[in-house]
Amino acid sequence: DIQMTQSPSSLSASVGDRVTITCRASQGIGNFLAWFQQKPGKAPKSLIYAASSLQSGVPSKFSGSGSGTDFTLTISSLQPEDFATYYCQQYNSYPLTFGGGTKVEIK
Amino acid sequence: EVQLVESGGGLVQPGGSLRLSCAASGFTFSSYAMYWVRQAPGKGLEYVSVISSNGGRTYYANSVKGRFTISRDNSKNTLYLQMGSLRAEDMAVYYCARVAVTGTFGDYWGQGTLVTVSS
Repeated sequence: DIQMTQSPSSLSASVGDRVTITCRASQGIGNFLAWFQQKPGKAPKSLIYAASSLQSGVPSKFSGSGSGTDFTLTISSLQPEDFATYYCQQYNSYPLTFGGGTKVEIK
Repeated sequence: EVQLVESGGGLVQPGGSLRLSCAASGFTFSSYAMYWVRQAPGKGLEYVSVISSNGGRTYYANSVKGRFTISRDNSKNTLYLQMGSLRAEDMAVYYCARVAVTGTFGDYWGQGTLVTVSS
């Protein structure tokens, strides 16, 4: 199975900060990587697919990059509605696997 | 508007069975693969199972293989997850989600249904 390792597991940031979350795959997955945002008590929401493509309706402050084994999600200017937990997921091969999540909290 | 609505969750004893449903609307259900993801209380997301658009191909997480069965009824626009031999570690919120035509997983998600396994 492909292991997905996210870092950090949590971070504290202020409104307006630029935030970067990293996801590393245990083997190459091309660009078959997605990012999701989840708020407490809610279903996950798709942000990014194919490593860097923005899902329809998602604001451009979110961006993704990377290929192979190393990927990043960047939020250019953190806003109050962005405080949530973020997950990466590889869909290069079965079983699909998620990263452990990164909780973004208010500083 | 794409909508996915799960149902069928509830309290079940260890070793018991439960069938979850996911009613789809707002898109041509029979054209899309679908999958189930779960989230144990306070934990991260875990892939459970995937089914192709016509139901001909299915895939499972090792943790549920042989105990869970994914299926679909395209005439009813409904996805199912039959869960058997339930264990305490199966307790979670179960989400159904759509696989986009681009092949990316989870462009739309349901609100989830809670499965509690306890005696």
